[in-house]
Amino acid sequence: AQKVTQAQTEISVVEKEDVTLDCVYETRDTTYYLFWYKQPPSGELVFLIRRNSFDEQNEISGRYSWNFQKSTSSFNFTITASQVVDSAVYFCALSESYGGATNKLIFGTGTLLAVQP
Amino acid sequence: DAGVTQSPTHLIKTRGQQVTLRCSPKSGHDTVSWYQQALGQGPQFIFQYYEEEERQRGNFPDRFSGHQFPNYSSELNVNALLLGDSALYLCASSLDPRDNTEAFFGQGTRLTVV
Repeated sequence: AQKVTQAQTEISVVEKEDVTLDCVYETRDTTYYLFWYKQPPSGELVFLIRRNSFDEQNEISGRYSWNFQKSTSSFNFTITASQVVDSAVYFCALSESYGGATNKLIFGTGTLLAVQP
Repeated sequence: DAGVTQSPTHLIKTRGQQVTLRCSPKSGHDTVSWYQQALGQGPQFIFQYYEEEERQRGNFPDRFSGHQFPNYSSELNVNALLLGDSALYLCASSLDPRDNTEAFFGQGTRLTVV
C-alpha cells in the first residue's frame, strides 16, 4: 500500500532557527516521485520540489534543502534560518507510475510550522 | 500567466442539495485533478481528468462526479450532500500525467454543508 507519514503534527520555532520536517513513505513501486508542498492560510498548495526515485542527490534551493534516502524511505525537508513567512502547513506527497496512467498524489497529514518572531 | 482558478471560493449548502464546483487549469495544462481536504487533514484524491475522460478515481462514492470540457476546464459535482462533505475542495492542473510533472493547485472552494 502507498502511504506517506508525517509524524510531526506541529512544530514551533523562533525566527532564525533551523527546522527539519520529516517525511517517511511506503510504496511497492520502483519508480515513484516525491513532492513537498506548502499551504499558507490562503489555502492554495504551493509546489516546492519534485524528486524521482532514481535521483538520490540532495538538493538545496536558497534556505530550503531536501534529504532523500531510499534506504530509510525518507524525504526530509530542512529550512535554514527560518522566517515568520515560513509559517504554514507543509505536506509531503507521493506519486506512483500507474503504468503511466495518472499522477495521483498521496499526501501525508501535514506538519504545521509556526515561526515566532 | 493565470494559474489555476476555482469558483466559487466559498459555498454554503443544505444537506441533500447538489453542488457544482468549477476549475480552470493553468495555461498549457491539459490534466485536471480534484482533491478533498477535510480540516486538519491532507488532501485526498477524488479523480483525475485527461483528454475529457476520467482516468482514475479515488475512494469516493458515485455521488461525486466530474466532467472535463474541450478547453480543459473541469467541474466537480456532488449530489445528495452530507454534512461530512464539508471540506476544502482543491483543483490541480498538470501536463500529461504520464510524465508525472508537478501539479499546480488553485486556492480551493470551501464547501460548508449545514
